[in-house]
Amino acid sequence: SYVLTQPPSVSVAPGKTARITCGGNNIGSKSVHWYQQKPGQAPVLVIYYDSDRPSGIPERFSGSNSGNTATLTISRVEAGDEADYYCQVWDSSSDLPRVFGGGTKLTVL
Amino acid sequence: QVTLRESGPALVKPTQTLTLTCTFSGFSLSTSGMCVSWIRQPPGKALEWLALIDWDDDKYYSTSLKTRLTISKDTSKNQVVLTMTNMDPVDTATYYCARCLVDTAMVNDYWGQGTLVTVSS
Repeated sequence: SYVLTQPPSVSVAPGKTARITCGGNNIGSKSVHWYQQKPGQAPVLVIYYDSDRPSGIPERFSGSNSGNTATLTISRVEAGDEADYYCQVWDSSSDLPRVFGGGTKLTVL
Repeated sequence: QVTLRESGPALVKPTQTLTLTCTFSGFSLSTSGMCVSWIRQPPGKALEWLALIDWDDDKYYSTSLKTRLTISKDTSKNQVVLTMTNMDPVDTATYYCARCLVDTAMVNDYWGQGTLVTVSS
């Protein structure tokens, strides 16, 4: 089965840039989505198709995907960005078509 | 406006079968390219994808749970039903349904608020 590896936690000061990685074998050949989940709430899509932003998501959120690593970048981090972030891929050729990463807790210092 | 709402029992006993219903509005599961997923999240843990059904009635299941899961749809009622047999305390989790888009790598763009299911005798 396909495994996605995320760091358990990332810390960043307000106004700085946070980068959250998602590692997977040849993930660059797959489409990656990113979700933000705040405590007690349902996940919210923040990036899809590696780097596209849904309407309503600030331009501070961006994504990239190449090789074995996909990255969610949050620029000019705000206190309200503190949340868990999950990456997800769809792999129709896998016996586990959809996989989520283990999640990364973003702490704003 | 797309909305989804999960419903079902808050408490089930071990070995029982869980039946959850996702009732949605703002889109139709008879429209080409639409699908609905079920995802769960044990308390304090990560998201786990469970199953998906698309407009063409294609179904996909988590490999580790496929023997216990059944997903179905009632297009006329705008509902998707997930059943999970032989429930165990480790299945205690918040269960979410979400709309997905087949042509956008199955992205889940709208989620329900989730329903907490506790498995206990």
